[in-house]
Amino acid sequence: KNQVEQSPQSLIILEGKNCTLQCNYTVSPFSNLRWYKQDTGRGPVSLTIMTFSENTKSNGRYTATLDADTKQSSLHITASQLSDSASYICVVGGYGGSQGNLIFGKGTKLSVKP
Amino acid sequence: DVKVTQSSRYLVKRTGEKVFLECVQDMDHENMFWYRQDPGLGLRLIYFSYDVKMKEKGDIPEGYSVSREKKERFSLILESASTNQTSMYLCASSFSLADTGELFFGEGSRLTVL
Repeated sequence: KNQVEQSPQSLIILEGKNCTLQCNYTVSPFSNLRWYKQDTGRGPVSLTIMTFSENTKSNGRYTATLDADTKQSSLHITASQLSDSASYICVVGGYGGSQGNLIFGKGTKLSVKP
Repeated sequence: DVKVTQSSRYLVKRTGEKVFLECVQDMDHENMFWYRQDPGLGLRLIYFSYDVKMKEKGDIPEGYSVSREKKERFSLILESASTNQTSMYLCASSFSLADTGELFFGEGSRLTVL
């Protein structure tokens, strides 16, 4: 069964600290992996999209890594800010599928405290 | 910037009422999607449309229907709302249905069915 598991479920860090969120998937065949940021009560916003051949992609203070062999991805946030408080959702697409076949993780809720 | 606008941010309806959720995108995207998001379950696809008057069922279409009469507008219809349809509803659009097509989300419509 195609699944996307994220850990931890929630995380509290102090402003200025770094953190890493994890995503493991069993989707096969694999095509792409996306990370979205969702502020409370708002729609998700795309951070990165990585394909099979990419193993890292950055968007400002956000860096996503992908290991397609172990089927793991991580999202690293550097020098966290209060505005990073949000849920982060990992989404995996299968090869030959379409956006109608995306598998969504349940998200990691990050709280950044002053 | 792509803008996906959902007509109502918050709605309260009674069991048995007919509910319309409207979504409009301004970037001439071919594809539009309706998801629902519930705590602990992540996003689940209800329906998507890849062209005017075309629709495809997602993972949880039961109790819902959709309408796409114009390219920019995609409506989600609850013929007879029930309490288990209380949820956050998210509309999204994309230019391409290809594996790595970028998804753009609206701000969401939080529906409460009493």
